[in-house]
Amino acid sequence: GAGVSQSPRYKVTKRGQDVALRCDPISGHVSLYWYRQALGQGPEFLTYFNYEAQQDKSGLPNDRFSAERPEGSISTLTIQRTEQRDSAMYRCASSSGQGLPYEQYFGPGTRLTVT
Amino acid sequence: GQNIDQPTEMTATEGAIVQINCTYQTSGFNGLFWYQQHAGEAPTFLSYNVLDGLEEKGRFSSFLSRSKGYSYLLLKELQMKDSASYLCAVGSSNTGKLIFGQGTTLQVKP
Repeated sequence: GAGVSQSPRYKVTKRGQDVALRCDPISGHVSLYWYRQALGQGPEFLTYFNYEAQQDKSGLPNDRFSAERPEGSISTLTIQRTEQRDSAMYRCASSSGQGLPYEQYFGPGTRLTVT
Repeated sequence: GQNIDQPTEMTATEGAIVQINCTYQTSGFNGLFWYQQHAGEAPTFLSYNVLDGLEEKGRFSSFLSRSKGYSYLLLKELQMKDSASYLCAVGSSNTGKLIFGQGTTLQVKP
């Protein structure tokens, strides 16, 4: 079946612009996670959704970052007024369970470059 | 605080056995995960331990000691395709989020 998909796969934007990154989880997966991964590092947690409820946003770096999952399926991570330090790979993951550490399936990521 | 340590790089020979260690100190614990990540690709799930002991899955095994905050991933009969980064991650007890280590880059040589 189809895995987690993300779009766009690559995004180049100028500093100060807003960007929206999309995640389409595996059908039926109730939990959705956003991570950010720097080169040579492990993924860093950003935020977590259980269905449409954002239950943990402790990893969002500042208030320029926000995420939503209005219908409990597709999610969007938005970064406002982008800065060069926001450049990274943004990965989405989904799992079939709620909260407990069920296996997470990762998407291919969106490579964001802020110039 | 949250701290997960694993070696940055390891090298091993095709056909051999390699053990990748991981130590952790986290405020919550609900399982220890290992993921494999080939260059330029997404992490893929390898194993999960929630109780102490060894979990075997084909050529890969994972061990956990909760009292010592220690885990290892054992790869047997190494193949060239096993060259990848191996990520140790701790599951949060509250939301299921994963706290990852920096990853261990394993290079398998002929």
